[in-house]
Amino acid sequence: DAGVTQSPTHLIKTRGQHVTLRCSPISGHKSVSWYQQVLGQGPQFIFQYYEKEERGRGNFPDRFSARQFPNYSSELNVNALLLGDSALYLCASSLEGLGGPNTEAFFGQGTRLTVV
Amino acid sequence: GDSVTQMEGPVTLSEEAFLTINCTYTATGYPSLFWYVQYPGEGLQLLLKATKADDKGSNKGFEATYRKETTSFHLEKGSVQVSDSAVYFCALSAYTDKLIFGTGTRLQVFP
Repeated sequence: DAGVTQSPTHLIKTRGQHVTLRCSPISGHKSVSWYQQVLGQGPQFIFQYYEKEERGRGNFPDRFSARQFPNYSSELNVNALLLGDSALYLCASSLEGLGGPNTEAFFGQGTRLTVV
Repeated sequence: GDSVTQMEGPVTLSEEAFLTINCTYTATGYPSLFWYVQYPGEGLQLLLKATKADDKGSNKGFEATYRKETTSFHLEKGSVQVSDSAVYFCALSAYTDKLIFGTGTRLQVFP
């Protein structure tokens, strides 16, 4: 079975540009979450989506947005890129995203975004 | 708010040494606790988890016990290998699958 797939794997953008990152969850998983991991730090929660609805949002500016499609894949969009947006962006999928004892999030390999 | 604190690294050990990486947490209610591992250039892999007090999670020789009285979830392994060299993240989740991570601890194991 395919795991969580993210594209592209690497990306270089210029300040002020816009970027779209993509994620395909594990088959059968309905919840997708996005995390930002700055070098040397732990991942920080950006968004969680379930059944195309936003379920949670972290402390990120409005330049960050996301959506989930009917097939449960997801896109993360970042506008007006800043140098500080350079990071590894991780996508995680889970069955329903409700937490609890049976919850488990599976991560993709990430997209390495470099803003120059 | 909820948070996770991990010991700072790097932790440098010789092969076959005993490993402890400390993790404490602050949370309301009864979170689930996790250890994730990140190998160079890769995403995160779930190493083990525990979902209620006194549960012990274990996998690949690693263990961690959910201690509510000390709000801790320390990671241990009796004999590390060079292949265990990676960054280890302690994390919690409360009422959704949103994960709150610690800053990570780099483990370096030398032959």
